[in-house]
Amino acid sequence: QKEVEQDPGPLSVPEGAIVSLNCTYSNSAFQYFMWYRQYSRKGPELLMYTYSSGNKEDGRFTAQVDKSSKYISLFIRDSQPSDSATYLCALYNQAGTALIFGKGTTLSVSS
Amino acid sequence: SQTIHQWPATLVQPVGSPLSLECTVEGTSNPNLYWYRQAAGRGLQLLFYSVGIGQISSEVPQNLSASRPQDRQFILSSKKLLLSDSGFYLCAWTSGRDEQFFGPGTRLTVL
Repeated sequence: QKEVEQDPGPLSVPEGAIVSLNCTYSNSAFQYFMWYRQYSRKGPELLMYTYSSGNKEDGRFTAQVDKSSKYISLFIRDSQPSDSATYLCALYNQAGTALIFGKGTTLSVSS
Repeated sequence: SQTIHQWPATLVQPVGSPLSLECTVEGTSNPNLYWYRQAAGRGLQLLFYSVGIGQISSEVPQNLSASRPQDRQFILSSKKLLLSDSGFYLCAWTSGRDEQFFGPGTRLTVL
């Protein structure tokens, strides 16, 4: 089993929809969880960062962590065409020295 | 504020030629520095990371090498490029077990 699994999509939704992006991970020792957004031909930019179970909200974005299920999610409310990008989940490895990334989910929001 | 630079932005090189990609960070001291490669459909692959000058850890054995001659400078090199070295190379920095920030990337095509 890979350390981090993420459905690559693509995921297509209409403007205004609620989007759910998900990752699962295998090592229960992982503690730090991040979501990055990457536009085409650009470097990833950090969206959300959390280290505990539960929800963390920032504007239209909510990051959710369920450590018991080893499952993390990113919800986007009122999605906009500008949200069209690839979303990558990332977790620090057990040594805390490097991030392990999911392969990314490509999202397309149509107006 | 912190800024990360990468150059060149785009590079086309023949098989067997050498490679040198440079990354510099401004606005911070003693950062942890990372090189990633992103190939189509394969997600972000960590190549090297460095916690200080002259300290390099390799994650994946291959024909690439990295060096950190100065605190805020990270260089990715190869003596002879392979076709499989094509990809999007990203440099990143962090101040600890914390958010990781990415540079704009270098798109390398090996022909």
